[in-house]
Amino acid sequence: AQSVTQLDSQVPVFEEAPVELRCNYSSSVSVYLFWYVQYPNQGLQLLLKYLSGSTLVKGINGFEAEFNKSQTSFHLRKPSVHISDTAEYFCAVSEPGGSYIPTFGRGTSLIVHP
Amino acid sequence: DADVTQTPRNRITKTGKRIMLECSQTKGHDRMYWYRQDPGLGLRLIYYSFDVKDINKGEISDGYSVSRQAQAKFSLSLESAIPNQTALYFCATSDSYRSLGGTHTGELFFGEGSRLTVL
Repeated sequence: AQSVTQLDSQVPVFEEAPVELRCNYSSSVSVYLFWYVQYPNQGLQLLLKYLSGSTLVKGINGFEAEFNKSQTSFHLRKPSVHISDTAEYFCAVSEPGGSYIPTFGRGTSLIVHP
Repeated sequence: DADVTQTPRNRITKTGKRIMLECSQTKGHDRMYWYRQDPGLGLRLIYYSFDVKDINKGEISDGYSVSRQAQAKFSLSLESAIPNQTALYFCATSDSYRSLGGTHTGELFFGEGSRLTVL
């Protein structure tokens, strides 16, 4: 069965600093990987996804993530954060060939300070 | 207008009351889901439906029921609400990818959420 671990429940950072939100997964097969963002009082929206091909995936709002199969990781990065990036971030994994129902991590709260 | 619409957005009710949360979508997707979000626990799947006649329990279905009234509508009911069902509830949809030969990927499209408080 697939599972997702987001190693940090909260990440505080100053504006314009770089940030990395960590995500590790466990699965016995190949995977599809996703990062979603949830702004306050809103639903979740897709930031980026890895389905196949290049392991470096670029998403919206300047975010990118790298799929590392050997380390079973899919860490999210941004070189310079803004106040508006303050939000909850969720990593999710699904397994091709199965039901494709994603499993979500517990979320990481990114708090950007001025 | 949102592609995935949830009503009500906020609801306060009392223990023992029956509550229905409704979800409708204009995306034309076959698959619909109900998730529950609790602080520090992420999103947990309550029920999912792959089409109108295919409804399945998720990991936390006890105390909940669902109805898929049409391809576009999927409602969640709490027959007798209890305080530990206080949470943020999300409806989501998914579709197949033509570029992957018509398979699914697990990418979800979410509604804005329904915040339920049970006193």
